[in-house]
Amino acid sequence: GNSVTQMEGPVTLSEEAFLTINCTYTATGYPSLFWYVQYPGEGLQLLLKATKADDKGSNKGFEATYRKETTSFHLEKGSVQVSDSAVYFCALSGNTGNQFYFGTGTSLTVIP
Amino acid sequence: GAVVSQHPSWVICKSGTSVKIECRSLDFQATTMFWYRQFPKQSLMLMATSNEGSKATYEQGVEKDKFLINHASLTLSTLTVTSAHPEDSSFYICSSYHRGLYEQYFGPGTRLTVT
Repeated sequence: GNSVTQMEGPVTLSEEAFLTINCTYTATGYPSLFWYVQYPGEGLQLLLKATKADDKGSNKGFEATYRKETTSFHLEKGSVQVSDSAVYFCALSGNTGNQFYFGTGTSLTVIP
Repeated sequence: GAVVSQHPSWVICKSGTSVKIECRSLDFQATTMFWYRQFPKQSLMLMATSNEGSKATYEQGVEKDKFLINHASLTLSTLTVTSAHPEDSSFYICSSYHRGLYEQYFGPGTRLTVT
């Protein structure tokens, strides 16, 4: 079956530090992979996505590469800002794109 | 494009009453919408899949008689929490599947508090 395992938080970093949030998946077929961000009191926003192996998704300085050989989709940012404080969810969708599977979320707090 | 709205964004109701939450895809048609529930500091839990013109498919453990879902048009799905109790207090999020883009778009969520 399909599932997503995500690095547990919470994560606290100083401003300008390097961020990595690990995400691994189990899937049948060829899933698409996503990172969503949720700011306090808000819904989910798509941060980036990758639809096939070796694709790199990027947005707002965040990057993640779809690694089929390691079944991973780790989120990275070279220099975090206070405004990046949020909860980050890794997710995958199956072949049809309909069914989504979410990781447990990782809370990130960036301190000045 | 690809905007999904939810209404209301927050609601407080008394125990025993019913509450209806609307989910609309504003600029695309969605034959499939999803309803999620999120408890504080937890991930999203899929409650049900809503298909236009047919009955919703509920996940195991979700009471279909308590959480009524109606997907009456290609742009609107509603979730009605019937006879609400304090334990139903949660953040409810919907999403709409955009077939052309092969992607789900999420609404901003509705915070329900049952007193």
